[in-house]
Amino acid sequence: AQTVTQSQPEMSVQEAETVTLSCTYDTSESDYYLFWYKQPPSRQMILVIRQEAYKQQNATENRFSVNFQKAAKSFSLKISDSQLGDAAMYFCAYRSPSFNAGGTSYGKLTFGQGTILTVHP
Amino acid sequence: DAGVIQSPRHEVTEMGQEVTLRCKPISGHDYLFWYRQTMMRGLELLIYFNNNVPIDDSGMPEDRFSAKMPNASFSTLKIQPSEPRDSAVYFCASSTNWNTEAFFGQGTRLTVV
Repeated sequence: AQTVTQSQPEMSVQEAETVTLSCTYDTSESDYYLFWYKQPPSRQMILVIRQEAYKQQNATENRFSVNFQKAAKSFSLKISDSQLGDAAMYFCAYRSPSFNAGGTSYGKLTFGQGTILTVHP
Repeated sequence: DAGVIQSPRHEVTEMGQEVTLRCKPISGHDYLFWYRQTMMRGLELLIYFNNNVPIDDSGMPEDRFSAKMPNASFSTLKIQPSEPRDSAVYFCASSTNWNTEAFFGQGTRLTVV
């Protein structure tokens, strides 16, 4: 079964600084998708960024970028020029391919435990 | 589109009562997920459907939990009988395909007293 691990329960950063959130996952598949979601106090889940496993290039969305290391099964999120509005819980997620070796649980979306990010002014 | 719609937003019930949570996915989405979020266990996948068919229900905690998707625009998660340890926020999410992100509803905060 696929598992997603976020080893940092909490992180903090000064406003305008850079912070990196860690995520590792376990899979035997070669084609899959990875996501980072943000959950502010409103509890709404918001997509931050996505990465396709077969793409070598790391995804970037404005101040958010990832460091995707496929062989190491690592998918970290870097937030540059941190803003007060970035304070939230961040979740890493893995999505299974449409067909896997076992033929089951295709398209399954599994989340890590989350990392609470605090931004200090 | 109005997004994924969950009801109710809040539910307080007494232990032993039946609880039904409802979800309307985004039109045209083929996947529907039910998650439970607690401080201790994070965001757990309970069950998910593809084209109204349950694909994986291995996350359903016990027989007290059941989920149905009678058609493409509606799903329910039922707990019978409810227990205090079921208190959590329950999310429904939907997506168009396996290679796209899931869109989440606002969640239902369930409190069992």
